[in-house]
Amino acid sequence: KNQVEQSPQSLIILEGKNCTLQCNYTVSPFSNLRWYKQDTGRGPVSLTIMTFSENTKSNGRYTATLDADTKQSSLHITASQLSDSASYICVVSVRGNKLVFGAGTILRVKS
Amino acid sequence: DAGITQSPRHKVTETGTPVTLRCHQTENHRYMYWYRQDPGHGLRLIHYSYGVKDTDKGEVSDGYSVSRSKTEDFLLTLESATSSQTSVYFCAILPSGGEGTGELFFGEGSRLTVL
Repeated sequence: KNQVEQSPQSLIILEGKNCTLQCNYTVSPFSNLRWYKQDTGRGPVSLTIMTFSENTKSNGRYTATLDADTKQSSLHITASQLSDSASYICVVSVRGNKLVFGAGTILRVKS
Repeated sequence: DAGITQSPRHKVTETGTPVTLRCHQTENHRYMYWYRQDPGHGLRLIHYSYGVKDTDKGEVSDGYSVSRSKTEDFLLTLESATSSQTSVYFCAILPSGGEGTGELFFGEGSRLTVL
């Protein structure tokens, strides 16, 4: 069964600190993996996409990694800001355009 | 901004009443989707459309129907709302040419409460 599991479910960190969110998937055949950020009361917005051949990709203070062998991805946030408070959703695309969503990690950044 | 508008944004209704949510897009994209989002669950696909009058079921389609009579509008109908359909509903579009990357653009959501 195609599944995406994210951890932790929620996380509280102090402003300026770093954090790492995890995504494990059992999806086949894999096409790509995307991280979305969802602000409270808004729709999700794509942060980055990882394809099979990519190990690391950065988007500003966000760095995503992918280990296709272990079927794990992480999203690392550097020097967190209050505006990083959001839900982060991992979505794996199965070849053929089927998308499998994780339940998300809720991040709260405190001042 | 992918030009997606959902209406209504908030609705409270009673069990057994019909409800229709509307998703409107301004850029003539072919693929449109309806998802529901509940605490502890990922976004779950209800129905999707790949063109005018072309729709198909998603993983949680029971109790829902859809219609797409124009490219720009995708309607989600709950024929007889139940409390289990209390949720936040998101419309999404897949931009033309984006089928390979799977990047969806979401609307702002419609919060439905069924009492």
